[in-house]
Amino acid sequence: DGGITQSPKYLFRKEGQNVTLSCEQNLNHDAMYWYRQDPGQGLRLIYYSQIVNDFQKGDIAEGYSVSREKKESFPLTVTSAQKNPTAFYLCASSKQAETQYFGPGTRLLVL
Amino acid sequence: SQQGEEDPQALSIQEGENATMNCSYKTSINNLQWYRQNSGRGLVHLILIRSNEREKHSGRLRVTLDTSKKSSSLLITASRAADTASYFCATPKAAGNKLTFGGGTRVLVKP
Repeated sequence: DGGITQSPKYLFRKEGQNVTLSCEQNLNHDAMYWYRQDPGQGLRLIYYSQIVNDFQKGDIAEGYSVSREKKESFPLTVTSAQKNPTAFYLCASSKQAETQYFGPGTRLLVL
Repeated sequence: SQQGEEDPQALSIQEGENATMNCSYKTSINNLQWYRQNSGRGLVHLILIRSNEREKHSGRLRVTLDTSKKSSSLLITASRAADTASYFCATPKAAGNKLTFGGGTRVLVKP
């Protein structure tokens, strides 16, 4: 059953803590993306990767970091430098520069 | 401001009615995409229309593209309660496999 998965569904962060959001795909897609969505808003690009071992900053990369060691996986770390991390985080993948396939999202809340 | 901006921001209709939403963008594109997002979920790709196409249909969806006006419209015919969702247009950025999303139109279909 092919698709893109994200975990956990909900994540709580304490002040000063780094947390990592998981994104895995078995669609054999080269490109993967992380977006942030605030309530009632559209998506903003955090980071993207077009190939293994390579990634680029998106529009709002400050306070976030990523890695792309495997084609299937693109984890996102929300660091303590991100002062307003509460949001809905969406991961996506694509084979070409066209349709993106999205995971179910992770909601990050700050304690 | 964002590349794609939807209008209206919110729309409330009765089941069976048609829903129309518009998207405007600023720079030249080679395609435009529409996505749907149910509350608290990931985005689902609906339809992609290329710059050399003027109209495209998929089931109860009809998308138009006017490149001279840099605008697109999404029409949902004979709406159902299950069509209640947010709808986003997305356009590719100049380089890479990146998409820019608009702020979305929130559609409520009342039974």
